[in-house]
Amino acid sequence: DAKTTQPNSMESNEEEPVHLPCNHSTISGTDYIHWYRQLPSQGPEYVIHGLTSNVNNRMASLAIAEDRKSSTLILHRATLRDAAVYYCILRQPGGSQGNLIFGKGTKLSVKP
Amino acid sequence: ETGVTQSPTHLIKTRGQQVTLRCSSQSGHNTVSWYQQALGQGPQFIFQYYREEENGRGNFPPRFSGLQFPNYSSELNVNALELDDSALYLCASSSGVATGELFFGEGSRLTVL
Repeated sequence: DAKTTQPNSMESNEEEPVHLPCNHSTISGTDYIHWYRQLPSQGPEYVIHGLTSNVNNRMASLAIAEDRKSSTLILHRATLRDAAVYYCILRQPGGSQGNLIFGKGTKLSVKP
Repeated sequence: ETGVTQSPTHLIKTRGQQVTLRCSSQSGHNTVSWYQQALGQGPQFIFQYYREEENGRGNFPPRFSGLQFPNYSSELNVNALELDDSALYLCASSSGVATGELFFGEGSRLTVL
């Protein structure tokens, strides 16, 4: 599976937008871009995923670069509850679909 | 619809012992995967079970083994425990859709002394 690169940590103020970047320069044409987050003392939680087009759901938006070598997870209004480690993961549709390759992720801190 | 539940939540073992961790998958999910998460690291894939068969394995030795039952619940067994096995063990279930989301439990925290 292709690798992703994320900043180790980011800070945000409550109620401001947050843009979490992810680089995946070796992405293949069939790799989906998935984001999960892990709140303290909990298991990871699915956030969003996409292939080529930008995606929106109730939690966040995913902006995918035209060349797909990078993507950005957007939290429109950060809350204290959004403080978590955010993981950007590439997945191929076949194979062991339960096999997610997690990096160290980005630890997001949200200040009141 | 119940979520993924794991037991026990915490346990302490000594080196050389054996441990069994349990996971009940989310209703309707036929695929279960197990992860090990050391402190400060991202989760690492151990293996996956689909319809009671192991169909994917990460870089873990054979002393890590598992089972999946007809109701799709699962067990992770670790023999001959080592100090480095101290970690959070996470179970995730999914529906089998190729890029479907995984639903994780809150994990079992294992400490090996």
